Amino acid sequence: DSGVTQTPKHLITATGQRVTLRCSPRSGDLSVYWYQQSLDQGLQFLIQYYNGEERAKGNILERFSAQQFPDLHSELNLSSLELGDSALYFCASSVEGGGLGIQYFGAGTRLSVL
Amino acid sequence: GEDVEQSLFLSVREGDSSVINCTYTDSSSTYLYWYKQEPGAGLQLLTYIFSNMDMKQDQRLTVLLNKKDKHLSLRIADTQTGDSAIYFCAESRRDNTDKLIFGTGTRLQVFP
Repeated sequence: DSGVTQTPKHLITATGQRVTLRCSPRSGDLSVYWYQQSLDQGLQFLIQYYNGEERAKGNILERFSAQQFPDLHSELNLSSLELGDSALYFCASSVEGGGLGIQYFGAGTRLSVL
Repeated sequence: GEDVEQSLFLSVREGDSSVINCTYTDSSSTYLYWYKQEPGAGLQLLTYIFSNMDMKQDQRLTVLLNKKDKHLSLRIADTQTGDSAIYFCAESRRDNTDKLIFGTGTRLQVFP
């Protein structure tokens, strides 16, 4: 168990809908990262938050947004869903950022868009 | 480019050693990682090596880093059927982001 908790484990929804994925980092970790794993793109970095502030953005679509709350949990919001958004979404956390924090991953949320 | 390259498949006999290779791109990477993903499961951190090290050993796992060739390898000694999984190498960049750049993953199959 990595200590990173993601809910829900599975989500099935329809095109055009909106969903929210939740992540609780390991105790003491200030940084939260979101990654997407799909068959065609592999594992891609989406976005990072550090202590409530956005720190870095990767290949995140404009239809997607995220935030980190004062208790350090994070949510990834996916809207206007398309079939191609079906993927495994991972959250990771680390104590700090700056390229020096070891990232531990949650079990992921599997999103199926029908 | 940002590619981290790995061979796609490796098949070994139980009890033999497995060596999974990875070529990364950024010489300024800080940490290099190996993650394991079992079917339907998340990413388990196996081990990591700081970029100023050449080798790290952790029980059955040995990581070798060749900075000149930007080559990383993971050796699993006495490979067991429970080691069957996809193994990802990843690098963290010393840039403005803390993102991990992942390889494509190597599927290790262990047969009796």
